[in-house]
Amino acid sequence: QITLKESGPTLVEPTQTLTLTCTFSGFSLSTSGVGVGWIRQPPGKALEWLALIYWNDDKRYSPSLRSSLTITKDTSKNQVVLTMTNMDPVDTATYYCAHTYDFFALHFDYWGQGTLVTVSS
Amino acid sequence: SYELTQPPSVSVSPGQTARITCSGDALPKQYVYWYQQKPGQAPVLVTYKDTERPSGIPERLSGSRSGTTVTLTISGVQAEDEADYYCQSADSSGTHVVFGGGTKLTVL
Repeated sequence: QITLKESGPTLVEPTQTLTLTCTFSGFSLSTSGVGVGWIRQPPGKALEWLALIYWNDDKRYSPSLRSSLTITKDTSKNQVVLTMTNMDPVDTATYYCAHTYDFFALHFDYWGQGTLVTVSS
Repeated sequence: SYELTQPPSVSVSPGQTARITCSGDALPKQYVYWYQQKPGQAPVLVTYKDTERPSGIPERLSGSRSGTTVTLTISGVQAEDEADYYCQSADSSGTHVVFGGGTKLTVL
């Protein structure tokens, strides 16, 4: 049974760096083809993909946010960490992490419950 | 940047068929995936690789494609199908994930 759970601060001040952790179970990030991605959703708005990391440490980033994002994995802890620098109120959103299993078919079959991050002073 | 286009809203009466479209220039080269999201919940994958359905997803939800447009069809719509639906694909290089803007399905 695959589960994922996001954790991190609920409130971040503008210009600060956000660090979110995805802790998962039911799969290993050392298995060929497996990856974990991050997706966010501002209140009342659409989903937006942020980043993705694969078992082989292949990292993908949204072209529009690439300069502010870093994704890393700790296979031994079953965790994936996303950092986002220079946070702005427009980055207020629910942040989801999600599982993918097919390196050649980009999609997410299991999602965490999401964590709401508010950017405000 | 690459975009996927969906209608903002679709409304149908119970028992009717709802069709939600998704269009994008790179769609002929890339698979499409559909997610259902109900208020306050995480998205759920309802179709993958254009036409496949994960286990547990009702047969009345189905995906199809024609050229640069893909369609999620919900036959015999039920009240529980009321949700936001998002298409998702990859850019032409297959490297980056792209989501559509979402379609709100209202069951009248």
